[in-house]
Amino acid sequence: ETGVTQTPRHLVMGMTNKKSLKCEQHLGHNAMYWYKQSAKKPLELMFVYNFKEQTENNSVPSRFSPECPNSSHLFLHLHTLQPEDSALYLCASSQDRGRGQNEQYFGPGTRLTVT
Amino acid sequence: KQEVTQIPAALSVPEGENLVLNCSFTDSAIYNLQWFRQDPGKGLTSLLLIQSSQREQTSGRLNASLDKSSGRSTLYIAASQPGDSATYLCAVRHYGGSQGNLIFGKGTKLSVKP
Repeated sequence: ETGVTQTPRHLVMGMTNKKSLKCEQHLGHNAMYWYKQSAKKPLELMFVYNFKEQTENNSVPSRFSPECPNSSHLFLHLHTLQPEDSALYLCASSQDRGRGQNEQYFGPGTRLTVT
Repeated sequence: KQEVTQIPAALSVPEGENLVLNCSFTDSAIYNLQWFRQDPGKGLTSLLLIQSSQREQTSGRLNASLDKSSGRSTLYIAASQPGDSATYLCAVRHYGGSQGNLIFGKGTKLSVKP
């Protein structure tokens, strides 16, 4: 266990549904991340939050809406997704000690299937 | 633009063999390089992190090296075991972004046969 939990572990949703992914870290970290892992592609960074403030949005479509109510929790709200959004969504956290000094710890991921 | 390449994409070896996984990156402006392990359908487990000023890191049967000037890293696994079967990912923390973004390779899928 890495200290980062994600729920649900598996999710199947239709294109018109609205759902949310949840991530919680128990490590006292101040930064949290969402990544997308599609088949045969490298992991892609989606969003970065530092002290609850969004510091990075890697040109992610607006049908993905992140929320970070506090440093321990991170949500990814999903609506009107496309089948190509099916992927493993990974959450990570780190203690930001300045540029580069932040080893990231990953959760187990949520396997999302859009039908 | 930073790109990370891992070769080979897949590797199958008999148990007990020593092996080397390769990672290359195009831009040497990195803070550090990290090797991860990913089991099927699971998240990532960090194996080793090498700062840009370091040449290598060791943990048990694993040894990772970094040659920043040539843009290369290797992960050496000694006396491989079936439990080592997984996908191994290399990622560099690149200058840029607010946190120094992690740029990942596609991974090497390792299979160790009993």
